[in-house]
Amino acid sequence: SQTIHQWPATLVQPVGSPLSLECTVEGTSNPNLYWYRQAAGRGLQLLFYSVGIGQISSEVPQNLSASRPQDRQFILSSKKLLLSDSGFYLCAWRGQSNNSPLHFGNGTRLTVT
Amino acid sequence: GDSVTQMEGPVTLSEEAFLTINCTYTATGYPSLFWYVQYPGEGLQLLLKATKADDKGSNKGFEATYRKETTSFHLEKGSVQVSDSAVYFCALSDKAGNQFYFGTGTSLTVIP
Repeated sequence: SQTIHQWPATLVQPVGSPLSLECTVEGTSNPNLYWYRQAAGRGLQLLFYSVGIGQISSEVPQNLSASRPQDRQFILSSKKLLLSDSGFYLCAWRGQSNNSPLHFGNGTRLTVT
Repeated sequence: GDSVTQMEGPVTLSEEAFLTINCTYTATGYPSLFWYVQYPGEGLQLLLKATKADDKGSNKGFEATYRKETTSFHLEKGSVQVSDSAVYFCALSDKAGNQFYFGTGTSLTVIP
């Protein structure tokens, strides 16, 4: 069966520090991969999605970037964190079928101080 | 563009009450529709889905019917439990299936 791993679960970082969040998927190949952010008490904001290695689509211009160095690995990065980057970051994957649902990881709670 | 609108919360119900959370959508073509549930501190879990008009998705006592004529996908449960307390998200995927659009979420609290 397919599983998605996301780490770390929680992270506290000072303003101006770099960020690297990692997500890996097991049990499937060539998944579509997604990064979402959820601000406290609010809905989901799509940040990036990828349909293949090295292919990244950005939905919101900001100081974050994403990379997909391997088929089942998706990384969210920042060179310098802002206070406004605090939130709950969710990685998700879906299969290639048009009707496939999204499957989410357990999320990373990021607090920028 | 495609979008999802779901009822504002929070919703507070007594145990065994009937639940309805409204969801309507705007989309070109024939999207797939989903309900997700999020428990505190966790990621979203797929609750149910429907991929074409008149399909009924069901899981754990929850149901939703894909209504093309009213562009709706309302979530219902006949008798809620305390363990159903969570945030519920309605979502659609576009025709190509690459993009998902989520509602803002509805917080449900069930009291004994």
